[in-house]
Amino acid sequence: DAKTTQPTSMDCAEGRAANLPCNHSTISGNEYVYWYRQIHSQGPQYIIHGLKNNETNEMAPLIITEDRKSSTLILPHATLRDTAVYYCIVRSGGFKTIFGAGTRLFVKA
Amino acid sequence: GAVVSQHPSRVICKSGTSVKIECRSLDFQATTMFWYRQFPKQSLMLMATSNEGSKATYEQGVEKDKFLINHASLTLSTLTVTSAHPEDSSFYICSAAAPGQNSYNEQFFGPGTRLTVL
Repeated sequence: DAKTTQPTSMDCAEGRAANLPCNHSTISGNEYVYWYRQIHSQGPQYIIHGLKNNETNEMAPLIITEDRKSSTLILPHATLRDTAVYYCIVRSGGFKTIFGAGTRLFVKA
Repeated sequence: GAVVSQHPSRVICKSGTSVKIECRSLDFQATTMFWYRQFPKQSLMLMATSNEGSKATYEQGVEKDKFLINHASLTLSTLTVTSAHPEDSSFYICSAAAPGQNSYNEQFFGPGTRLTVL
């Protein structure tokens, strides 16, 4: 599975948008982009996934560039409860998920 | 989404004892379950993959005789840390995979078990 690169940490003011970038320049054609988040001392939570088109659900929109080499998860109005580690993962149709370091997002009041 | 539970949520044990952690898929049948370990301020590290009715596949560097995995049914997998030592203290997380009705296969994670070995 392709490797991803994410910023180590980001800060965001409460109520503002948080744009979380992810680089996956070696992604192959059959690999999906998945986003999970992990709130402190909890298990990871699925957020969204996509293949080549922008996606959105009740949690967040996901923007995938046309060449699929990068993506951005958007939290339109971040709240304090969005403080977590956000993991961007690429994988093919199999189940095995390898986590990178992720981005620690701090939402500040 | 589907629900995965873990029991216990936290456990403290003495060095040299064995500890069993259960992972259950509550409302779906999981053909595959995964076990992860997470040390403070680090990411999740995949330990092993277990398929119902067969032996687990361990990642490189994970001792299979120390971390015994049993996946006897489609809703239950157990991880037993044998002869636990303080360096085994960690946050253990399981996930259960369900073949998706869409074009992808989804994984659902448990809430984790915090193991402290004294």
